[in-house]
Amino acid sequence: DGGITQSPKYLFRKEGQNVTLSCEQNLNHDAMYWYRQDPGQGLRLIYYSQIVNDFQKGDIAEGYSVSREKKESFPLTVTSAQKNPTAFYLCASSPGLAGVGGEQFFGPGTRLTVL
Amino acid sequence: QKEVEQNSGPLSVPEGAIASLNCTYSDRGSQSFFWYRQYSGKSPELIMFIYSNGDKEDGRFTAQLNKASQYVSLLIRDSQPSDSATYLCAVNDYKLSFGAGTTVTVRA
Repeated sequence: DGGITQSPKYLFRKEGQNVTLSCEQNLNHDAMYWYRQDPGQGLRLIYYSQIVNDFQKGDIAEGYSVSREKKESFPLTVTSAQKNPTAFYLCASSPGLAGVGGEQFFGPGTRLTVL
Repeated sequence: QKEVEQNSGPLSVPEGAIASLNCTYSDRGSQSFFWYRQYSGKSPELIMFIYSNGDKEDGRFTAQLNKASQYVSLLIRDSQPSDSATYLCAVNDYKLSFGAGTTVTVRA
């Protein structure tokens, strides 16, 4: 089955810890994205990547880091510098970056809670 | 800063009725538009995309785009209880910008 997987489904972090959220896709999509969703709000873009070894900051990149060493993988690290990390994190991928083929498909999400 | 605005909800409709969702966007150069459905606690699911002015129909869903008015809408005909969800409008240039969503409740 083709799709996007995220792990873990639930993650608990202590103050001052870095945590890494996994995102893997087997859709052969070039572009991958990370979003954050807070209760009752839309999605906000954290980082995106169009190709391997290249990624760009989104609207709320502070306190986060990413890597894109393989086409199918785009892990997100939530660092201790992110002051309010409790949220629902969504990974997405698309065939291309914009226009036709720019439609994004989402993984199931990771719910991060800071203790 | 791109902005995508959706009509505030929640929207409550009786079963079998038409639900009408509206979205406006600020960037006149936007080229592609998407509607996602998100059930509570789940990730968004793509239900429609539209690139050209006019209507696009897919089953019970119709998307309408008017680039001159910077307006995109989604109609859900014959609404079913399973349509109860939050609907997100998204506008794409090189990345998607999302509206806050409109929550729809279909009353049986």
